[in-house]
Amino acid sequence: DVKVTQSSRYLVKRTGEKVFLECVQDMDHENMFWYRQDPGLGLRLIYFSYDVKMKEKGDIPEGYSVSREKKERFSLILESASTNQTSMYLCASSPSELTGGEQYFGPGTRLTVT
Amino acid sequence: RKEVEQDPGPFNVPEGATVAFNCTYSNSASQSFFWYRQDCRKEPKLLMSVYSSGNEDGRFTAQLNRASQYISLLIRDSKLSDSATYLCVVFVTGGGNKLTFGTGTQLKVEL
Repeated sequence: DVKVTQSSRYLVKRTGEKVFLECVQDMDHENMFWYRQDPGLGLRLIYFSYDVKMKEKGDIPEGYSVSREKKERFSLILESASTNQTSMYLCASSPSELTGGEQYFGPGTRLTVT
Repeated sequence: RKEVEQDPGPFNVPEGATVAFNCTYSNSASQSFFWYRQDCRKEPKLLMSVYSSGNEDGRFTAQLNRASQYISLLIRDSKLSDSATYLCVVFVTGGGNKLTFGTGTQLKVEL
């Protein structure tokens, strides 16, 4: 059974803190993605990665960075958390070809920045 | 204009009803189309792909109209378990395996 796990379900951080969100997939997928989901705005792509050490900006990369040192792990970093980064963060992975359009999502991390 | 637009709903329907959701997309270069389902406080999961010829999976039928840039999802004989948010999703090649998600249409099936 395919599995994408995220390090925390809920996280509360203070403004200005550095925040790490970890994502691990066990499906040997090449592609990994970080989204945030906000009411009325839907899922928005922050960053994605085709391969180890590769990264591409998504639609809203400002204020975020990513790291992919191993194929199975994709980390999202908030260098200096701000209140407007309070959101649900979803990680996803997919095979090298977008077969069937299926991205497999993790359960999400609900981040609150106070 | 949003790349993918959906009526947010909610659509409140009685059990056994037929309900249809629509979605429009703005990029005529869009190549592939999908419906995802997201249960409350859960992650999205692929429901079905949408083909030009239309496709059916049990009680679910998806259709694509490329000329009008319009996608639909029809659910027949609604069940309580169909209550969820349905996300319209579009894939454009050249952008590197990126999917663009609509904001979703919420369905509530009631007794």
